[in-house]
Amino acid sequence: DAGVIQSPRHEVTEMGQEVTLRCKPISGHNSLFWYRQTMMRGLELLIYFNNNVPIDDSGMPEDRFSAKMPNASFSTLKIQPSEPRDSAVYFCASSSNRVTQYFGPGTRLLVL
Amino acid sequence: GDSVTQMEGPVTLSEEAFLTINCTYTATGYPSLFWYVQYPGEGLQLLLKATKADDKGSNKGFEATYRKETTSFHLEKGSVQVSDSAVYFCALSDDDKIIFGKGTRLHILP
Repeated sequence: DAGVIQSPRHEVTEMGQEVTLRCKPISGHNSLFWYRQTMMRGLELLIYFNNNVPIDDSGMPEDRFSAKMPNASFSTLKIQPSEPRDSAVYFCASSSNRVTQYFGPGTRLLVL
Repeated sequence: GDSVTQMEGPVTLSEEAFLTINCTYTATGYPSLFWYVQYPGEGLQLLLKATKADDKGSNKGFEATYRKETTSFHLEKGSVQVSDSAVYFCALSDDDKIIFGKGTRLHILP
């Protein structure tokens, strides 16, 4: 199994630009999670989906952030417009039993 | 709500030293407990888990026992290696979600 796949691995953009992060969960997993990790705030759960349906988006910082899961094998996290404070590592994780999560390698985002 | 508290780092040890990273939790039910490890530049990986009281999770020489009476899940290893240098996260399951501690950075000196 290839594990959770995230792209891009690194993204550098300018303030105000739209950023789209992508995630392919492990085949057969029905739950998908988006996290953000920073030195100051640690690991934060942004949103999670179960069977492609958003269950809890209370961690999404503000309206500039949106996430979609159009099918079981693909999810996106979009930031529009991006701001320097959005600079972080964004992780996607998936799970088949709603307990053990498997993380992707992360996308390192730098907003200038 | 449910929460996890783990010792702050960084923790610096010499190779072959004994390791303990403390973790305590607060939960209303009977959660599963986890230790995840994050190596530099990588995502989190499940290190071990325990699903009920008195269970012992173990992997790669690491162990942790689910102690309901003390609400603890301390991580131990008898002899650490330089390759164990990483950030370790204690976590518990909360229905559909996992609640993570803030992480403990471990440095092992050769």
